[in-house]
Amino acid sequence: AQSVAQPEDQVNVAEGNPLTVKCTYSVSGNPYLFWYVQYPNRGLQFLLKYITGDNLVKGSYGFEAEFNKSQTSFHLKKPSALVSDSALYFCAVRDVESGAGSYQLTFGKGTKLSVIP
Amino acid sequence: KAGVTQTPRYLIKTRGQQVTLSCSPISGHRSVSWYQQTPGQGLQFLFEYFSETQRNKGNFPGRFSGRQFSNSRSEMNVSTLELGDSALYLCASSLVVGGGGNTIYFGEGSWLTVV
Repeated sequence: AQSVAQPEDQVNVAEGNPLTVKCTYSVSGNPYLFWYVQYPNRGLQFLLKYITGDNLVKGSYGFEAEFNKSQTSFHLKKPSALVSDSALYFCAVRDVESGAGSYQLTFGKGTKLSVIP
Repeated sequence: KAGVTQTPRYLIKTRGQQVTLSCSPISGHRSVSWYQQTPGQGLQFLFEYFSETQRNKGNFPGRFSGRQFSNSRSEMNVSTLELGDSALYLCASSLVVGGGGNTIYFGEGSWLTVV
């Protein structure tokens, strides 16, 4: 079975500082990895994904993520945090065991990011 | 291009009633999935539909059901509502082309409160 772990329930960072939100995964084959952000009372917004290719993936709003196969990690990063980045962040992996072509995602528990002015 | 549209956004139901939630995927997207989000359990997969067929189902009781229409629009139904069904229900859609790395886009969700 596929699984995703986000070891930190909350991350606090000062505005202007770099931020990292951690994610590790477990899959049987090659992973398709995703990051989503959720603002209060809203749905999930897609930030970026890793399918194959370069280990550093660039996404929306200045976010990027680094895929590390040996450490089975896919940490989300941003060089300079904004107060508006404060939200709930979810890492997800596509569950390739669900059957050919299935688009089921397995999510981590989420990490609440607070950017302090 | 319109995103994933879910209706209604908010609703309150009484225990024992049933509810139907609707989802219109992004134009051209044929895969539609449903997720339940609660503070305690996080995001849990309910089911996925493609070409009007349920392709996958999560670990939920039979009170939870869904369907997909020929225009890819989807509905989910919860019968005999329980207090624990109070949650944000999210619909997601995706193209189904290539090797499976297509982006999965989510709607704003339907907030269900059971009293």
